[in-house]
Amino acid sequence: DAGITQSPRHKVTETGTPVTLRCHQTENHRYMYWYRQDPGHGLRLIHYSYGVKDTDKGEVSDGYSVSRSKTEDFLLTLESATSSQTSVYFCAISTGQANYGYTFGSGTRLTVV
Amino acid sequence: GIQVEQSPPDLILQEGANSTLRCNFSDSVNNLQWFHQNPWGQLINLFYIPSGTKQNGRLSATTVATERYSLLYISSSQTTDSGVYFCAGSRTTGGFKTIFGAGTRLFVKA
Repeated sequence: DAGITQSPRHKVTETGTPVTLRCHQTENHRYMYWYRQDPGHGLRLIHYSYGVKDTDKGEVSDGYSVSRSKTEDFLLTLESATSSQTSVYFCAISTGQANYGYTFGSGTRLTVV
Repeated sequence: GIQVEQSPPDLILQEGANSTLRCNFSDSVNNLQWFHQNPWGQLINLFYIPSGTKQNGRLSATTVATERYSLLYISSSQTTDSGVYFCAGSRTTGGFKTIFGAGTRLFVKA
């Protein structure tokens, strides 16, 4: 969807290095989410944001931090990447209003070697 | 916590066939969505359906909130319907902590 972009699309990094993934939206939606998708686990929520500087943990938040200093940007940081964080990461946005579901970004494939 | 279970896990159809995918959810879920992930990995929102029935072309969905299940109907399936179908639920309209089911993997044969 043109209203939400993730960067980078692909990244290979070494164990122990910090990594930041970016989610950028042009829809002015209040809510933003980070999910990871792994075989056998479906999509699991890492962190979400319900406004600028307002964030909270999801199901699998250990080893991840997030920041949202502007409505349009939601950053996911792996402070010290591990091989278990090799995954496909998806960002999603929503207005939070009834009858308005999620819109997902195209995903970031991260490999930690 | 929120629990979302999908069935069947895998489904193979001949092009033109109809199918029904099921999602059972725990009693703490107030909002239900259906998504399709195509073979290239893109996730598309199909329906936001906390209750009732909605239709979009060959797809329709029904959620019976009092019995805690939702059904996704695919009629006259096409090869482009292949992929994984997810249902996802949350407690609040804002979608906080939306939890996904494990998905139904659909393959439509030509």
